[in-house]
Order: sequence, then C-alpha cells, then structure tokens
Amino acid sequence: QIQLVQSGPELKKPGESLKISCKASGYTFTDYAMQWVKQAPGKGLQYMGWINTQTGKPTYADDFKERFVFSLETSASTAYLQINNLKNEDTATYFCARIGLRRVGDYWGQGVMVTVSS
Amino acid sequence: DVVMTQTPVSLPVSLGGQASISCRSSQSLVHSNGNTYLHWYLQKPGQSPQLLIYRVSNRFSGVPDRFSGSGSGTDFTLKISRVEPEDLGDYYCLQSTHFPDTFGAGTKLELK
Repeated sequence: QIQLVQSGPELKKPGESLKISCKASGYTFTDYAMQWVKQAPGKGLQYMGWINTQTGKPTYADDFKERFVFSLETSASTAYLQINNLKNEDTATYFCARIGLRRVGDYWGQGVMVTVSS
Repeated sequence: DVVMTQTPVSLPVSLGGQASISCRSSQSLVHSNGNTYLHWYLQKPGQSPQLLIYRVSNRFSGVPDRFSGSGSGTDFTLKISRVEPEDLGDYYCLQSTHFPDTFGAGTKLELK
C-alpha cells in the first residue's frame, strides 16, 4: 500500500538547521510530485510548495523562498525538507504529501513536529 | 494569492444529523483546462489530513457516500449526512487551480 513515512520529532535552537525526510513506498516515486505543508500549533494548514520528482526542480510559495530547501534522493524514494537559520516561528508540524494525478495531495506522511526554542 | 473563506468556524452536530460547510474563493477556481481544482480534507486530532473529495464532487478511495461535494466557480459546499463519531474533526477546503495552493481556515465539526 502507498505510504509516506517521515522522520522523527526535532528540537532545535534558533539559528540552527534541520533536514526532515519523507520516504515513499508502494508506488513509483518519480511518477508523482511531492508537496510540503506547514501546520503551526493549533493553526490551519499552509502550503509551502512542491518538488518535481522527475527533474528535482523545486517551486516555493513566497513565504518559503528564503530559508527552505526541497530536495530528493530518488534512489531511496525519499524527499527532504531542509530549514536553515531556524526561527521560533518555524515551530510547527511539517507534512509531506504525494501530489496525485488529480492535482491534489492524496497520500500524506504522518508529520514531523519541529520545536525551535532557546 | 487566492483567499479561501470557509464557514462556519465551528459546527456543532448531533450524531445521525447533517452538516454543511461552505467555502468561497476570492476568484474563480475554473482552470484554463476546464477543471475546477477544489478539494476537501478531514483532519482528525493528532493525525495528518485525509483527502475526502477532489475536484469539487469526487469522493476519494474509501470515502463513504455520506460525504458529498458540490459547487462551481467561487462557491462550494461539503455536506455530511448521517454524521458518525469518526467524522468529527477539522475540515479544510483547498484550491489548487492557482499557485500557490491555498487552504480555508478550517471548520471544527464537534458534537452538540
């Protein structure tokens, strides 16, 4: 069955960096793009952007153009989200989701809770 | 960016009853290819969002027919009939016609 399994929770200090993984299984990784979504504590969902898994080309929403990097390890069917120079407002759960043929995130990872605190 | 206005914020329901959630967009969601990319999700506490309805009215795999979506242009509705306990949680609409994708602020479906 289709699964997206994300890495574990992170506790970081402001200014540090982190890299979250999203490992896909149950389908051909390069047949579907991957998107990332942020959810701050107690808040709604915020779209961060997506990455073309065939070309590796990322596309970022405006709020995520500066310190955020989407990347791939295609041989491992894994997508990554890197956040540099962490800020308190990056405290959130980050989800990866496969973008299905219907142009919508159809399968989602379980989410990674990131806490940024000094 | 397209603004998605979702109402109500909170929706108390009785088990077995019906619920209706509205989502309005700040511009038409009809894509140049003729498709309308308006979707609905349910997020249960502590879980990731699960896709219920895609492209206005199509139920995703395994979604019961108690869930139905309708609408066009800028005005969309999700209806839930015969509400069951597992239907409780936060509902979000999402548009993916225009980049960036944008979500509604959410509707909490809770017991009356």
